[in-house]
Amino acid sequence: KQEVTQIPAALSVPEGENLVLNCSFTDSAIYNLQWFRQDPGKGLTSLLLIQSSQREQTSGRLNASLDKSSGRSTLYIAASQPGDSATYLCAVLTGGFKTIFGAGTRLFVKA
Amino acid sequence: SQTIHQWPATLVQPVGSPLSLECTVEGTSNPNLYWYRQAAGRGLQLLFYSVGIGQISSEVPQNLSASRPQDRQFILSSKKLLLSDSGFYLCAWRKGRSLPQYFGAGTRLSVL
Repeated sequence: KQEVTQIPAALSVPEGENLVLNCSFTDSAIYNLQWFRQDPGKGLTSLLLIQSSQREQTSGRLNASLDKSSGRSTLYIAASQPGDSATYLCAVLTGGFKTIFGAGTRLFVKA
Repeated sequence: SQTIHQWPATLVQPVGSPLSLECTVEGTSNPNLYWYRQAAGRGLQLLFYSVGIGQISSEVPQNLSASRPQDRQFILSSKKLLLSDSGFYLCAWRKGRSLPQYFGAGTRLSVL
């Protein structure tokens, strides 16, 4: 059974710091991995999607990497800003159509 | 461009009352559709998904049901709500397995 874990559960950093969020999954047989952002009381916003054959994806200050063999993905945020404060979730698409989510990392960027 | 609509945004219902949450997607055809529930401080739990009209897969045996009466419409229902049905319900869609999943704004359901 696929399980997705995100560490740390919460993170507080000063503005301008570069940071890394971690996501691990127990079954390496994934189709792809997607990172999301969720603001309080809101739906999820898609950030990056990495296919199982890819190593990384970049969008602006965000870079996501994938090491399928070790069951790990990282989301790197460069030069963090207060507007980056949110909960970040990773999700893996397994065989079929099921997506399994981690519990998320709550990020707070201090001005 | 594609958009997903989910309503209502907030709902307060008494125990034992029925439920109907609706989700529609615009700007695409034959999407894969999903219903999730998010408990406070926890990850998303997949409730139902659908790959076509009338095709529903249930992931969690519970008090809820789902239907897809039209290609871009997905409905979550209950005949009698329980206290444990309270939570944040999210509808999502994706065009294909290699494409991103997109979410609606969610419905906050409180069962009292």
